[in-house]
Formats: sequence, structure tokens, C-alpha cells
Amino acid sequence: AQSVSQHNHHVILSEAASLELGCNYSYGGTVNLFWYVQYPGQHLQLLLKYFSGDPLVKGIKGFEAEFIKSKFSFNLRKPSVQWSDTAEYFCAVKVDSNYQLIWGAGTKLIIKP
Amino acid sequence: DSGVTQTPKHLITATGQRVTLRCSPRSGDLSVYWYQQSLDQGLQFLIQYYNGEERAKGNILERFSAQQFPDLHSELNLSSLELGDSALYFCASSAEADTQYFGPGTRLTVL
Repeated sequence: AQSVSQHNHHVILSEAASLELGCNYSYGGTVNLFWYVQYPGQHLQLLLKYFSGDPLVKGIKGFEAEFIKSKFSFNLRKPSVQWSDTAEYFCAVKVDSNYQLIWGAGTKLIIKP
Repeated sequence: DSGVTQTPKHLITATGQRVTLRCSPRSGDLSVYWYQQSLDQGLQFLIQYYNGEERAKGNILERFSAQQFPDLHSELNLSSLELGDSALYFCASSAEADTQYFGPGTRLTVL
């Protein structure tokens, strides 16, 4: 069965540190890839998405993600995090045989001021 | 603001009761998705409707049901409620096949 794995359930960083959150999926066909963010007490918001083209995707708030097909990965990065990036981050994948997204378990990111 | 609205924002009820959660999708979106988010289970996909028809089903209990009306709003009905049903219930909508936009959620507390 298709699945999405986010390796780190909790990440704690200091402000200005660099961030990389891992996302791997298990499916060999065509995929559309998403990162969503959920700030404390809020709903999920789209950070960025990849459908096709340049595998390096830039999103809102300085985030970017790189699709590496050979590694089945779509890692999220930010060069310098801020306290306001404290949130839960979800990776999601749509495979061409499904109508709904397959969601990772989420990574809770805490930024220490 | 995603354009997706959900009512009510909070709901407190007792075990054994039935509640209805409502979702209005973004203008023009034909797909509506329902999710449950709890501390122990994380984000769980429940069900998807597309233009009034059920399109995909996830981990939805038999006590739960949903429908999408001709005006495209959707309702999620939860019956015979149990303590474990306490959670945040999100609705999302999409126009394209993939990008989902989430509503603010309904926080359900079952006492």
C-alpha cells in the first residue's frame, strides 16, 4: 500500500538554525506532492506543492522543497527559521490511482527564541 | 482565510448523542473532504465527495455519515457518540484534483 513517512515526529531548533524535514513516499508512479503547515490552534494551510517541472519548489514564508524522484523524497527546507515557524508540518502525496491524498503523520517543529 | 467555512466552531455534547457538522466549500470547488484530527490518531481522512457523489472513503466509522448537497455544501453526521470521538473535524475543498484548502475546523467535545 502507498504510504508517506515523515521521519521526525518532533524537531526542536533555535532561531536562525537551518531546517530540513524529511518526507518519503512509497509509490513508483506519477505523484503530486504537498507540504502543509498547521500553526497552533489553526487549520492546515498549503506551504508549497509540486506537480511537475523544476523539482526545486519555492513556497510561502521562505520555505522550499526538493523532489528527488530516485529517492522518493520531498524534503522541506528553510535556511533560517524564526520563532513564528513553530507549527506542525504535514507532507502529503497524491498518487495517480487515488482521489485522496496520502498524509504523513506530521512533524511538530518547536523553535526556541 | 481559505474561503472554506465550517460551523459550528465548537460543539459540546454527551455520549450517545448525534451531531451534524457543516461545511461550505470555496466558491466553485466541487470536491469536499472530511478529516478527523486527534492527539492520539493524528490527521485521518474520513471521506470525499465530488459534485454530490461519494468519491473516496477513508477511516470513517459506520456511525459516521456524510453527504454533499446540490449547492455543494456538505454535512458530516456523527451518531452514537463516544468519548473517543472528541477531536477536531476539518473540512477541505478543492477545484483542481489535488490542492486542498482547509476550513477552520469544528472542535467536538464528547462528555
